Amino acid sequence: QVQLQESGPGLVKPSETLSLTCIVSGGSISSSNYYWGWVRQPPGKGLQWIGSIHYNGDTYSSPSLKSRVTISVDTSKNQFSLLLRSVTAADTAVYYCARLNFWNGNAYDYWGQGTLVIVSS
Amino acid sequence: QSVLTQPPSASGTPGQRVTISCSGSGSNIGSNNIHWYQQLPGAAPKLLIYSNSLRPSGVPDRVSGSKSGTSASLALSGLQSEDEADYYCAAWDDSLNAYVFGTGTKVTVL
Repeated sequence: QVQLQESGPGLVKPSETLSLTCIVSGGSISSSNYYWGWVRQPPGKGLQWIGSIHYNGDTYSSPSLKSRVTISVDTSKNQFSLLLRSVTAADTAVYYCARLNFWNGNAYDYWGQGTLVIVSS
Repeated sequence: QSVLTQPPSASGTPGQRVTISCSGSGSNIGSNNIHWYQQLPGAAPKLLIYSNSLRPSGVPDRVSGSKSGTSASLALSGLQSEDEADYYCAAWDDSLNAYVFGTGTKVTVL
């Protein structure tokens, strides 16, 4: 059973960089069948896609966040990471990592439990 | 602002059938698979329907999905109290080159 676990600081100061890591267990991140993605949810609001990465480094990002987002993968540690630069209070959200599966038509089939990141001084 | 539009709420009594719509365009629903996610209060989203109408293992057959043109719908038959949750449609958008989620629908069991 694949499991994903987000980790990172729960509090980030405005203008600084948010950094999160997603550790994948129960399966290899180095499979051509999957992309690995980030989704966030501001308090009381809907889901927002941030971006995704393939183990070969191919990445896609939301147009609205593209200029501030970097997603990277570390196959040796079976994990992938998110950097979001120049954060503001609007970036306060629960951040989820998830696996996108080619075999089910590109749906996110496994999700982490989510981690709340608050942007505040 | 999401490119996939859902009604903000839907409700029904136990045993009833509830349908949730998802309206998009030719660049998303019209040309790609639509997926549905269920989010129980305080929990991570869970894949409910993939590739328009297919159910992952463990999802009961009273849950069904369909797609027609640039719209899709999710149906919950035999509504149960555990169906109270938020539901989101999602698809890849070829114009935005991005994965887009719907605005979300809160289902209440009366």
